[in-house]
Amino acid sequence: AQKITQTQPGMFVQEKEAVTLDCTYDTSDQSYGLFWYKQPSSGEMIFLIYQGSYDEQNATEGRYSLNFQKARKSANLVISASQLGDSAMYFCAMREGRANSKLTFGKGITLSVRP
Amino acid sequence: GAVVSQHPSRVICKSGTSVKIECRSLDFQATTMFWYRQFPKKSLMLMATSNEGSKATYEQGVEKDKFLINHASLTLSTLTVTSAHPEDSSFYICSALQGALGGTQYFGPGTRLTVL
Repeated sequence: AQKITQTQPGMFVQEKEAVTLDCTYDTSDQSYGLFWYKQPSSGEMIFLIYQGSYDEQNATEGRYSLNFQKARKSANLVISASQLGDSAMYFCAMREGRANSKLTFGKGITLSVRP
Repeated sequence: GAVVSQHPSRVICKSGTSVKIECRSLDFQATTMFWYRQFPKKSLMLMATSNEGSKATYEQGVEKDKFLINHASLTLSTLTVTSAHPEDSSFYICSALQGALGGTQYFGPGTRLTVL
C-alpha cells in the first residue's frame, strides 16, 4: 500500500477563493509527522506546514492550514484566499518514527489559480 | 531562517566526466542531509541519507560507487556523480534537516544536470 496518497488530478481555483488539497497516509507508527511542500516551476521545494501525530490542534501557518483527521488518516491542506502565486505543485509527505527519519512523498497535486 | 543553498544550479557536462554538487545549510547546522532525484512532473525519489561524520545510507537501487556522498561538516554535503552518462540527466535536490518542528527538511533550490 502507498504510504502517502494524493489522488486529485490537476486542481483549479479562482483567485481569492479557498481550496483544499487532499492527502491520506498509511502508517502503523504512533509517532509520525506530516508535511506539505510547494514546488513552483522554478523547482525549489518550499516548506509550508507541519503536523505532528500527537498534536491535538490543526496546524496553521498564515493562509495555510492543515485539516488533520487522525482516525481517517488524512492531512488535507487548506489554502485560503488563493493568490496567483499559489499556482504550483504541492506535495504531501510523511516522516515515520524519529525526527531524523526520511520523508515519504506523495505524487503531488498541480494547483492552478485562475485570475 | 532555515536557508539551504545548492551549487551549481545548472550544469552541462560530457559523458564520462564527474560532476560535484554542493549542498549547504546557511543559517543552521544539519547533522543529517538528504539527496533526492526528481524526474519531470514526478515526485521526489530519495537517493541517500547523508550523516555528518559517517557513511551515507543509500536507498535500494542507488549505486553508491556512482553517486558519492560526503558530509564533511555540519553545514556541507556534496554529491558527486561519477562517470556521468545521459541517463543520469535529472534534477537533483538536497535537503537539510533542522531539529525544530519535529524534524523539518528544508530544501535547496536544486541542480539541473544535463549529460551530453
